[in-house]
Amino acid sequence: KNEVEQSPQNLTAQEGEFITINCSYSVGISALHWLQQHPGGGIVSLFMLSSGKKKHGRLIATINIQEKHSSLHITASHPRDSAVYICAVERNTGNQFYFGTGTSLTVIP
Amino acid sequence: DVKVTQSSRYLVKRTGEKVFLECVQDMDHENMFWYRQDPGLGLRLIYFSYDVKMKEKGDIPEGYSVSREKKERFSLILESASTNQTSMYLCASSPYPLTFGSGTRLTVV
Repeated sequence: KNEVEQSPQNLTAQEGEFITINCSYSVGISALHWLQQHPGGGIVSLFMLSSGKKKHGRLIATINIQEKHSSLHITASHPRDSAVYICAVERNTGNQFYFGTGTSLTVIP
Repeated sequence: DVKVTQSSRYLVKRTGEKVFLECVQDMDHENMFWYRQDPGLGLRLIYFSYDVKMKEKGDIPEGYSVSREKKERFSLILESASTNQTSMYLCASSPYPLTFGSGTRLTVV
């Protein structure tokens, strides 16, 4: 049973395209995290959300608590955005996380 | 800048060896975690600790133990390494920001 589902699993885009990655979850949460992992690299936190929307540069993350759904958008995608994007939810206990299996994004020049 | 440091980036060990993976955080975080990451399986929790000397089993604790003698340090021990423990091991700490180390790629031969 997967508490966190991401789609798509793999995504290839042309440079400049608008990209959306989706995350659905089935448990009660206190926050949702979007993480980025470049090939061979460590995991970096992009966003933590408990409601609404956050923006950082070309990245936008939204969450709908009622629908238990979050999206990560990348505007004007660039080859350096190529990475695995992981959705993680934080349980109400605050020390328990569930992770999606990740979306592998490749942006072609 | 907050940091989680893992002692080794790459390790090669022989079957049956006792292996120590060290993790240090400088954020005064209460919670620390050890995950392993395998292709197609995502991040799986091995153990976590919510306080000094406190530990809880995660989803896949078999063959592993942990130690947290100081708040900033969380060690993962493979009592007798086996080839099926070849993996990427990631340490993390929380609460916000959820921060990961750069990972240790362990190969058991």
